[in-house]
Amino acid sequence: NAGVTQTPKFRILKIGQSMTLQCTQDMNHNYMYWYRQDPGMGLKLIYYSVGAGITDKGEVPNGYNVSRSTTEDFPLRLELAAPSQTSVYFCASSYLPWGSTGELFFGEGSRLTVL
Amino acid sequence: GENVEQHPSTLSVQEGDSAVIKCTYSDSASNYFPWYKQELGKRPQLIIDIRSNVGEKKDQRIAVTLNKTAKHFSLHITETQPEDSAVYFCAASMRAGGGADGLTFGKGTHLIIQP
Repeated sequence: NAGVTQTPKFRILKIGQSMTLQCTQDMNHNYMYWYRQDPGMGLKLIYYSVGAGITDKGEVPNGYNVSRSTTEDFPLRLELAAPSQTSVYFCASSYLPWGSTGELFFGEGSRLTVL
Repeated sequence: GENVEQHPSTLSVQEGDSAVIKCTYSDSASNYFPWYKQELGKRPQLIIDIRSNVGEKKDQRIAVTLNKTAKHFSLHITETQPEDSAVYFCAASMRAGGGADGLTFGKGTHLIIQP
C-alpha cells in the first residue's frame, strides 16, 4: 500500500492564480481531511469528508473548496490564491467506525508559496 | 469548539534525561488524546494515544498520562535519544480518528536532544 499520496510536493503561485492539490489514499478509509500547517501554529483543519459525496467545513475553510467523488480521492482547490495561503498542506485519512484505533495517516505534505 | 494549549514550545534536554510535554484542553466532552511526532520535513506520525477511560498508557520509553478532572494530559519520554529530536503535537477529539470535527491540535513542542 502507498498510503496517502499528495501532489505536488512544492508549488509557487502568483496572487490570484488557482490550483488543485491532489490527494489519494489506497487504504479504503472513509474519513479524509485537509490540514494546513503554519510555523508555530500546529495543524488547522480546513475541510473533511466522512465518505464519498459528503464534505464539510473545518476550522479554516475560507478560500478553499473540496470534492469527494470517490472513496480514494479528496482534492483541495484554491480558487484565488492569496499570500495568507502560503503554508504546508497535509492530507490525511482515517478508518472508522467508532472503536477503531483512531490513527490519522498523513500524506507527505505540499509546500505552497503564494507571491 | 475545542481549544488545546501545549507547553513548552521548545524543550532542550540532555541525551539520556527525561522529557515531559504538557497539554490542556477546553471541551470536557473530548475523549480521545493522541500524540504525533513530526521529524524535520516529514509527515506527522502517531506515536501514542489515550482514551478518556484510561489514566495512563505506556509504550517502551513513551508514556501518556491523562487527568480528566483538570483537563490536561502529558507526554513523557524517558532515556531520550538523538532520534527523539522532533516536533511533538498533542491533540484532542470527541471521536477517535477525529470524526465529525477532526482533531484539534496543539501548536507543537520542538524537542531538542543535546548530545
